[in-house]
Amino acid sequence: QQQVKQSPQSLIVQKGGISIINCAYENTAFDYFPWYQQFPGKGPALLIAIRPDVSEKKEGRFTISFNKSAKQFSLHIMDSQPGDSATYFCAAVNQGGKLIFGQGTELSVKP
Amino acid sequence: EAGVTQFPSHSVIEKGQTVTLRCDPISGHDNLYWYRRVMGKEIKFLLHFVKESKQDESGMPNNRFLAERTGGTYSTLKVQPAELEDSGVYFCASSQGLARGDEQFFGPGTRLTVL
Repeated sequence: QQQVKQSPQSLIVQKGGISIINCAYENTAFDYFPWYQQFPGKGPALLIAIRPDVSEKKEGRFTISFNKSAKQFSLHIMDSQPGDSATYFCAAVNQGGKLIFGQGTELSVKP
Repeated sequence: EAGVTQFPSHSVIEKGQTVTLRCDPISGHDNLYWYRRVMGKEIKFLLHFVKESKQDESGMPNNRFLAERTGGTYSTLKVQPAELEDSGVYFCASSQGLARGDEQFFGPGTRLTVL
């Protein structure tokens, strides 16, 4: 079954707007939650990550919000730019380091 | 410093044929992972090597898939015989350590199409 659920599948945002992607997980053993960004023809690359003892982490225009009790976390991209157009994957990690990914969100930022 | 490289970038084969994918991790990275993304679904874990040893192969779909990492450097993933449902993008990733925050660096992937 899907251990990490991600929504929406696709997202269109105007330049300068806020992009929001949501993820939910089931396994409380997960203790590290990275977000990956993937451009066409490239592999996923780590964008930002959070541990469950923190409710929010911000790096530039990218912010992760984490709700441990609800088992949900989200990525906010402020002032979205056309260069942010990519596929975004949330993920969760437990023992052994393997990544459990969500289904991915194709973000398109219109100029 | 070179990143993770994968070969070939694309492969188109007929059902029943054999294909071998190769991954060269970042030099010095003991951990090597294989993942697969099928038709717009989530990227799924296949297996994890620590040096030349298989640490976790719980994601391998069936015994048609064979992964090796001789000498703890590059890795190969062989599919024999290939089936239609094996089509997808196969990613390799490597990391230096096993701590939660140790970043996994991904290669560009091999797009496999089985006809």
